[in-house]
Amino acid sequence: EPEVTQTPSHQVTQMGQEVILRCVPISNHLYFYWYRQILGQKVEFLVSFYNNEISEKSEIFDDQFSVERPDGSNFTLKIRSTKLEDSAMYFCASSGGTGGGGANVLTFGAGSRLTVL
Amino acid sequence: SQKIEQNSEALNIQEGKTATLTCNYTNYSPAYLQWYRQDPGRGPVFLLLIRENEKEKRKERLKVTFDTTLKQSLFHITASQPADSATYLCALADNTGKLIFGQGTTLQVKP
Repeated sequence: EPEVTQTPSHQVTQMGQEVILRCVPISNHLYFYWYRQILGQKVEFLVSFYNNEISEKSEIFDDQFSVERPDGSNFTLKIRSTKLEDSAMYFCASSGGTGGGGANVLTFGAGSRLTVL
Repeated sequence: SQKIEQNSEALNIQEGKTATLTCNYTNYSPAYLQWYRQDPGRGPVFLLLIRENEKEKRKERLKVTFDTTLKQSLFHITASQPADSATYLCALADNTGKLIFGQGTTLQVKP
Protein backbone atom coordinates (compact mmCIF):
# COMPACT_ATOMS: atom_id res chain seq x y z
CA GLU A 1 0.00 0.00 0.00
CA PRO A 2 1.37 3.47 -0.87
CA GLU A 3 2.62 5.42 2.10
CA VAL A 4 3.89 8.83 3.08
CA THR A 5 7.46 8.71 4.37
CA GLN A 6 9.03 11.25 6.70
CA THR A 7 12.61 11.89 7.77
CA PRO A 8 14.08 12.22 10.27
CA SER A 9 11.97 10.26 12.73
CA HIS A 10 13.47 12.25 15.59
CA GLN A 11 15.55 15.42 15.63
CA VAL A 12 17.03 17.19 18.60
CA THR A 13 18.16 20.75 18.07
CA GLN A 14 19.25 23.79 20.01
CA MET A 15 16.98 26.81 20.28
CA GLY A 16 17.63 29.23 17.44
CA GLN A 17 18.84 26.58 15.00
CA GLU A 18 17.26 25.90 11.63
CA VAL A 19 15.50 22.60 11.08
CA ILE A 20 14.27 20.97 7.87
CA LEU A 21 11.78 18.15 8.03
CA ARG A 22 11.33 16.07 4.91
CA CYS A 23 8.42 14.18 3.48
CA VAL A 24 7.82 12.07 0.41
CA PRO A 25 4.07 12.14 -0.28
CA ILE A 26 2.20 9.47 -2.23
CA SER A 27 3.29 9.83 -5.83
CA ASN A 28 -0.03 10.58 -7.53
CA HIS A 29 -1.34 12.86 -4.80
CA LEU A 30 -1.78 16.55 -5.51
CA TYR A 31 -2.43 18.10 -2.11
CA PHE A 32 0.13 18.23 0.66
CA TYR A 33 -0.14 19.22 4.29
CA TRP A 34 1.81 19.68 7.47
CA TYR A 35 0.16 19.18 10.82
CA ARG A 36 1.74 19.20 14.24
CA GLN A 37 0.87 17.62 17.56
CA ILE A 38 2.28 18.87 20.82
CA LEU A 39 2.51 16.06 23.36
CA GLY A 40 -0.92 15.31 24.81
CA GLN A 41 -2.71 17.78 22.57
CA LYS A 42 -4.70 17.53 19.39
CA VAL A 43 -3.44 17.33 15.82
CA GLU A 44 -3.27 20.93 14.55
CA PHE A 45 -3.25 22.15 10.96
CA LEU A 46 -0.19 24.14 9.91
CA VAL A 47 -0.27 24.55 6.14
CA SER A 48 -1.67 23.14 2.92
CA PHE A 49 0.10 23.18 -0.44
CA TYR A 50 -1.23 22.68 -3.94
CA ASN A 51 0.08 23.43 -7.40
CA ASN A 52 3.42 24.59 -5.99
CA GLU A 53 2.02 27.18 -3.68
CA ILE A 54 0.56 27.52 -0.22
CA SER A 55 -3.23 27.16 -0.28
CA GLU A 56 -3.81 28.01 3.34
CA LYS A 57 -1.83 28.46 6.52
CA SER A 58 -2.76 28.67 10.17
CA GLU A 59 -1.84 31.33 12.71
CA ILE A 60 0.89 28.99 13.96
CA PHE A 61 2.59 29.09 10.55
CA ASP A 62 4.37 32.41 10.99
CA ASP A 63 7.40 33.85 9.18
CA GLN A 64 9.68 31.31 10.85
CA PHE A 65 8.05 28.52 8.88
CA SER A 66 8.30 27.78 5.17
CA VAL A 67 7.43 24.89 2.88
CA GLU A 68 8.86 23.81 -0.39
CA ARG A 69 8.49 21.10 -2.99
CA PRO A 70 11.97 21.35 -4.47
CA ASP A 71 12.07 18.42 -6.88
CA GLY A 72 8.58 17.13 -7.56
CA SER A 73 8.77 14.35 -4.99
CA ASN A 74 9.96 15.79 -1.69
CA PHE A 75 7.91 18.18 0.41
CA THR A 76 9.80 19.99 3.14
CA LEU A 77 8.98 22.05 6.19
CA LYS A 78 11.65 24.48 7.36
CA ILE A 79 11.72 26.21 10.71
CA ARG A 80 14.28 29.01 10.50
CA SER A 81 14.97 29.71 14.14
CA THR A 82 13.49 27.12 16.43
CA LYS A 83 11.88 27.99 19.75
CA LEU A 84 11.24 25.76 22.74
CA GLU A 85 7.53 25.77 21.93
CA ASP A 86 8.21 24.27 18.49
CA SER A 87 8.87 20.94 20.20
CA ALA A 88 6.20 18.64 18.83
CA MET A 89 5.52 15.79 16.46
CA TYR A 90 5.22 17.07 12.90
CA PHE A 91 3.08 15.07 10.50
CA CYS A 92 3.14 15.32 6.75
CA ALA A 93 -0.01 14.25 4.90
CA SER A 94 -1.12 14.04 1.32
CA SER A 95 -4.39 13.51 -0.48
CA GLY A 96 -5.56 12.84 -3.98
CA GLY A 97 -7.84 15.85 -3.77
CA THR A 98 -11.48 16.54 -3.20
CA GLY A 99 -12.94 13.87 -5.44
CA GLY A 100 -16.66 13.14 -5.80
CA GLY A 101 -18.65 14.91 -3.12
CA GLY A 102 -15.78 17.00 -1.84
CA ALA A 103 -14.31 14.39 0.49
CA ASN A 104 -10.66 14.94 1.30
CA VAL A 105 -9.14 11.86 2.92
CA LEU A 106 -5.62 12.33 4.21
CA THR A 107 -2.80 9.80 4.32
CA PHE A 108 -0.36 10.68 7.09
CA GLY A 109 3.28 9.85 7.54
CA ALA A 110 4.64 8.38 10.76
CA GLY A 111 5.81 11.80 11.92
CA SER A 112 9.04 13.58 12.81
CA ARG A 113 9.52 14.26 16.49
CA LEU A 114 11.26 17.60 17.01
CA THR A 115 12.82 18.34 20.38
CA VAL A 116 14.13 21.87 20.90
CA LEU A 117 16.51 22.34 23.84
CA SER B 1 -15.26 28.88 13.80
CA GLN B 2 -16.02 25.18 13.81
CA LYS B 3 -15.17 23.33 17.02
CA ILE B 4 -15.03 19.59 17.54
CA GLU B 5 -15.62 18.04 20.94
CA GLN B 6 -14.67 14.53 21.84
CA ASN B 7 -14.68 13.02 25.30
CA SER B 8 -11.15 13.54 26.54
CA GLU B 9 -11.53 10.92 29.26
CA ALA B 10 -10.29 7.47 28.34
CA LEU B 11 -12.85 4.81 27.65
CA ASN B 12 -12.12 1.46 29.28
CA ILE B 13 -14.10 -1.58 28.20
CA GLN B 14 -13.89 -5.33 28.40
CA GLU B 15 -12.91 -7.39 25.37
CA GLY B 16 -15.93 -8.49 23.37
CA LYS B 17 -18.06 -5.49 24.32
CA THR B 18 -19.09 -2.66 22.02
CA ALA B 19 -17.21 0.60 22.35
CA THR B 20 -19.09 3.79 21.52
CA LEU B 21 -17.25 7.07 21.03
CA THR B 22 -18.89 10.45 20.56
CA CYS B 23 -18.00 13.42 18.40
CA ASN B 24 -19.92 16.68 18.64
CA TYR B 25 -19.38 19.76 16.52
CA THR B 26 -20.60 23.25 17.22
CA ASN B 27 -21.35 25.15 14.05
CA TYR B 28 -22.54 24.35 10.56
CA SER B 29 -22.96 20.73 9.55
CA PRO B 30 -20.10 19.60 7.32
CA ALA B 31 -20.67 17.76 4.05
CA TYR B 32 -18.85 14.77 5.52
CA LEU B 33 -17.15 13.64 8.69
CA GLN B 34 -14.20 11.31 9.09
CA TRP B 35 -12.79 9.04 11.79
CA TYR B 36 -9.10 8.26 12.17
CA ARG B 37 -7.17 5.97 14.48
CA GLN B 38 -3.93 7.12 16.09
CA ASP B 39 -1.51 4.82 17.90
CA PRO B 40 1.07 6.30 20.32
CA GLY B 41 3.88 8.05 18.47
CA ARG B 42 2.30 7.40 15.06
CA GLY B 43 0.35 9.40 12.51
CA PRO B 44 -3.44 9.21 12.23
CA VAL B 45 -4.80 6.47 9.97
CA PHE B 46 -8.06 6.95 8.10
CA LEU B 47 -10.87 4.56 9.05
CA LEU B 48 -14.23 5.73 7.77
CA LEU B 49 -15.96 8.64 6.12
CA ILE B 50 -19.68 9.41 6.35
CA ARG B 51 -21.50 12.00 4.26
CA GLU B 52 -24.23 14.32 5.50
CA ASN B 53 -26.91 12.42 3.57
CA GLU B 54 -25.88 9.10 5.09
CA LYS B 55 -27.27 8.09 8.45
CA GLU B 56 -24.94 5.15 8.99
CA LYS B 57 -21.81 3.62 7.51
CA ARG B 58 -20.26 0.25 8.29
CA LYS B 59 -16.89 -1.37 7.70
CA GLU B 60 -16.27 -4.77 9.25
CA ARG B 61 -16.65 -4.28 13.03
CA LEU B 62 -16.86 -0.48 12.73
CA LYS B 63 -20.03 1.56 12.46
CA VAL B 64 -20.40 5.31 12.23
CA THR B 65 -23.58 7.35 12.50
CA PHE B 66 -24.09 11.00 11.60
CA ASP B 67 -26.92 13.09 13.01
CA THR B 68 -26.89 16.59 11.57
CA THR B 69 -29.77 17.66 13.82
CA LEU B 70 -27.87 16.78 16.97
CA LYS B 71 -24.56 17.82 15.33
CA GLN B 72 -23.11 14.53 16.43
CA SER B 73 -21.37 11.44 15.13
CA LEU B 74 -21.10 8.17 17.01
CA PHE B 75 -18.34 5.65 16.33
CA HIS B 76 -18.92 2.07 17.37
CA ILE B 77 -16.53 -0.87 17.52
CA THR B 78 -18.37 -4.14 18.03
CA ALA B 79 -16.75 -7.26 19.52
CA SER B 80 -13.85 -5.12 20.65
CA GLN B 81 -10.35 -6.61 20.94
CA PRO B 82 -7.24 -5.46 22.83
CA ALA B 83 -5.74 -4.58 19.42
CA ASP B 84 -8.46 -1.93 19.07
CA SER B 85 -6.83 0.03 21.92
CA ALA B 86 -5.81 3.39 20.45
CA THR B 87 -6.91 7.01 20.26
CA TYR B 88 -9.77 7.68 17.85
CA LEU B 89 -9.98 11.08 16.19
CA CYS B 90 -13.00 12.74 14.65
CA ALA B 91 -12.25 15.10 11.76
CA LEU B 92 -14.20 17.40 9.51
CA ALA B 93 -13.56 20.15 7.04
CA ASP B 94 -13.90 23.68 8.37
CA ASN B 95 -15.31 26.58 6.37
CA THR B 96 -12.11 26.93 4.33
CA GLY B 97 -11.99 23.24 3.46
CA LYS B 98 -9.05 22.18 5.57
CA LEU B 99 -9.44 19.13 7.77
CA ILE B 100 -9.52 19.83 11.50
CA PHE B 101 -9.35 17.25 14.24
CA GLY B 102 -10.90 16.73 17.62
CA GLN B 103 -8.84 16.04 20.69
CA GLY B 104 -9.49 12.31 20.34
CA THR B 105 -10.79 9.70 22.75
CA THR B 106 -8.45 6.99 23.99
CA LEU B 107 -9.95 3.53 24.05
CA GLN B 108 -8.49 0.81 26.22
CA VAL B 109 -9.83 -2.70 25.67
CA LYS B 110 -8.99 -5.05 28.52
CA PRO B 111 -8.63 -8.79 27.86
